[in-house]
Amino acid sequence: EVQVVESGGGLVQPGGSLRLSCAASGFTFSSFAMSWVRQAPGKGLQWVSSISGSGLNTYYADSVKGRFTISRDSSKNTLYLQMNSLRAEDTAIYYCAKEYGLREWSGWSDPWGQGTLVSVSS
Amino acid sequence: EIVLTQSPATLSLSPGERATLSCRASQSISNKLAWYQQKPGQAPRLLIYDVSNRATGIPARFSGSGSGTDFTLTISSLEPEDFAVYYCQQRSDWPRTFGQGTKVEIK
Repeated sequence: EVQVVESGGGLVQPGGSLRLSCAASGFTFSSFAMSWVRQAPGKGLQWVSSISGSGLNTYYADSVKGRFTISRDSSKNTLYLQMNSLRAEDTAIYYCAKEYGLREWSGWSDPWGQGTLVSVSS
Repeated sequence: EIVLTQSPATLSLSPGERATLSCRASQSISNKLAWYQQKPGQAPRLLIYDVSNRATGIPARFSGSGSGTDFTLTISSLEPEDFAVYYCQQRSDWPRTFGQGTKVEIK
């Protein structure tokens, strides 16, 4: 079964840092792009970042560019999101998702993990 | 950035009724549109991709149509488990963007 499980969320002060992890299983991790998508409390979905299967190509939303870094470790089948200079507006559930289908890049995300909550507050 | 506008914001229907949800793009995105379903407390799941292809395991009552800038998700006959929030998403260009969502609620 294809599965992704996020961890690493928590409460952090404004300006602080946090690293999220996403453990993947049930598929050849290095063959697929992966993404992070977030959802602020009671709000809609916002794409955050994506990374190619090799890790060489990365993409970011303007709102996080320069503050967040996406990376992956194929030896551990794990995706990461390093979040620095956190702001109150970064408060959200962060979901990890695999590219849907059989190609490295499909443009669609599925499955998604259950999410990990990041709260930025003093 | 490509903006996706969904309408209506809320759709109040009864089980068995037909649901029609709309998603309009701020510029042409060809057929590069998907629909997701999200139930309370759950992660989203992919329903439809490339406008009209059902994802694995998605029932036939879900269908998608459209091209260019105007797209529709249709649920032919609502089942109790279909009451949820639906989002459209485009992959035509970076950044990937989502619509703001349409909530389908029980009337």
